Amino acid sequence: QKEVEQDPGPLSVPEGAIVSLNCTYSNSAFQYFMWYRQYSRKGPELLMYTYSSGNKEDGRFTAQVDKSSKYISLFIRDSQPSDSATYLCAMTLNTDKLIFGTGTRLQVFP
Amino acid sequence: DAGITQSPRHKVTETGTPVTLRCHQTENHRYMYWYRQDPGHGLRLIHYSYGVKDTDKGEVSDGYSVSRSKTEDFLLTLESATSSQTSVYFCAISGSPGLPVSEQFFGPGTRLTVL
Repeated sequence: QKEVEQDPGPLSVPEGAIVSLNCTYSNSAFQYFMWYRQYSRKGPELLMYTYSSGNKEDGRFTAQVDKSSKYISLFIRDSQPSDSATYLCAMTLNTDKLIFGTGTRLQVFP
Repeated sequence: DAGITQSPRHKVTETGTPVTLRCHQTENHRYMYWYRQDPGHGLRLIHYSYGVKDTDKGEVSDGYSVSRSKTEDFLLTLESATSSQTSVYFCAISGSPGLPVSEQFFGPGTRLTVL
């Protein structure tokens, strides 16, 4: 079993939809949780960074961490075609080594 | 790409040849990392460095070596390339003062094909 599980998709939604992307993990010691966005043939870019449990909002994006369920989510409101990308979750203890999910490919069609 | 460049951006080589990939940063970050990205596996850590001449192995280090003689440069070497090392390689940096060490920033990637 992988430490971090992520549905690869693709997830296809119409413009304006609310998107929910999720990861589950097995190591209850993880403390820091991240979401990266990766456009085709580009490097990942950090989208959201959260510590421990709770929610964090940034514009149309909300990151949610539920440590009791070992489950993290990224919500995208009013999705746009420009949101079409692969979304990677990542997490770590209190170290510099990140463990990544395999990524979910999102397609937002006009 | 947060002041990170990778060279070359694309390379095709033959099995058994040595290959060196370079990562250069202008951000003065302490930590540097090499990852490979493959379908179905996501990003996997090959090696990382926590300072000049200080390096350590990651999850998939077999067949790879690294060197860091200057803060700004981190080299990844495939001593004798194999077809299983065909992949996209990403460099990342972290450790800017005031930011968590785990907040990593990625370069544009190097696409390597070993024939």
